[in-house]
Amino acid sequence: NAGVTQTPKFRILKIGQSMTLQCAQDMNHNYMYWYRQDPGMGLKLIYYSVGAGITDKGEVPNGYNVSRSTTEDFPLRLELAAPSQTSVYFCASSYSQTGSRQPQHFGDGTRLSIL
Amino acid sequence: QKEVEQNSGPLSVPEGAIASLNCTYSDRGSQSFFWYRQYSGKSPELIMSIYSNGDKEDGRFTAQLNKASQYVSLLIRDSQPSDSATYLCAVNSGYSTLTFGKGTMLLVSP
Repeated sequence: NAGVTQTPKFRILKIGQSMTLQCAQDMNHNYMYWYRQDPGMGLKLIYYSVGAGITDKGEVPNGYNVSRSTTEDFPLRLELAAPSQTSVYFCASSYSQTGSRQPQHFGDGTRLSIL
Repeated sequence: QKEVEQNSGPLSVPEGAIASLNCTYSDRGSQSFFWYRQYSGKSPELIMSIYSNGDKEDGRFTAQLNKASQYVSLLIRDSQPSDSATYLCAVNSGYSTLTFGKGTMLLVSP
């Protein structure tokens, strides 16, 4: 049981390039989330999904896209990378939020630098 | 807009002391409250959850919730240098997402 797996762990991109951050979970969680964390700024929600085929915007979605074709996978795509997207990206998952008592479980993160 | 406020710290305590971490939240309808620990360069790790007013204890950790005051706290007894980390407070207001505070850095000196 690997939990939440993110790849790659590190990446350097040039301005204007595109890439996809991968996230997979093997806990059969139906909810999945993408966050970015900048130094001293806490976790900011980019996008989330409540099930396959269903996604919604979080607090900071501009410059990103997501898709959810399976329960297990929730990739995050960066189009036209900009220096402002330099950050640490975390993927998380949880069971259905019925009663809102389900905590989120995090992957190890992807450290992304845009130069 | 839902807000979760934490003192950024650092909170410095000597080894063996009690560390007290505090969090306030703006949404009176909030239902679930979580504390995550994040070591430098690592991902957040869940350490406590609390849903009802009062105290909840788990080993050296005690979470305290006061919904009337919109206040949640985390006490760490017998603090160890290995407890040095950033502690994130997270609040669920009954929707699909959590709102996180910016975290409090705790430093435990030997």
